[in-house]
Amino acid sequence: SYELTQPPSVSVSPGQTARITCSGDALPKKYAYWYQQKSGQAPVLVIYEDSKRPSGIPERISGSSSGTMATLTISGAQVEDEADYYCYSTDTSDYSWVFGGGTRLAVL
Amino acid sequence: EVQLVESGGGLVQPGGSLRLSCAASGFTFSHYAFHWVRQAPGKGLEYVSAINTNGGGTYYGKSVKGRFTISRDNSKNTVYLQMGSLRTEDMAVYYCARGFPLPNGGVDYWGRGTLVTVSS
Repeated sequence: SYELTQPPSVSVSPGQTARITCSGDALPKKYAYWYQQKSGQAPVLVIYEDSKRPSGIPERISGSSSGTMATLTISGAQVEDEADYYCYSTDTSDYSWVFGGGTRLAVL
Repeated sequence: EVQLVESGGGLVQPGGSLRLSCAASGFTFSHYAFHWVRQAPGKGLEYVSAINTNGGGTYYGKSVKGRFTISRDNSKNTVYLQMGSLRTEDMAVYYCARGFPLPNGGVDYWGRGTLVTVSS
């Protein structure tokens, strides 16, 4: 079955750039969506269609995709960015969604 | 303001059934697909099911196919998830989320979730 692979954890100091990757064979043809989930809360969309940012999401959060890897970048990471981040996409057969395993971002 | 409110969670015995509801407001309900996503305690997000705008297309994750049924009532602005033959591994918070256009859009807005506990 199709899988999206994320690193379990990423750690940066405040003000540094955090990069979270999501690897999947279908990503060259399918969009990636990224969600931020803080402890005890519902997920929040931070990037859609690889690189588009919903209104209200800080400009320091950006997305890109190249080949089989999508990347979420948080420039100048802040303590408030500490959360779990998940990518979401479909395999080549469509209508079959899958989440990455999630990446815990620590800013300390 | 977009709002999604899940209800119907609770305690159910293994092998039992439960129906979850997701009441939507703040947008034109019939224009959007919907997904159900779950999260077991301390675990990551898992896609459960999706439905297209008119309910004629329904889709399921492998772990629930044949046991769960998604449906919608566009006159009531509500999406449902009928869950049957429940197992302990189905225990999770179930989220309803509004979808981007199918066949492979993700989701944007999420509800707060409803907890399903499967235990004897």
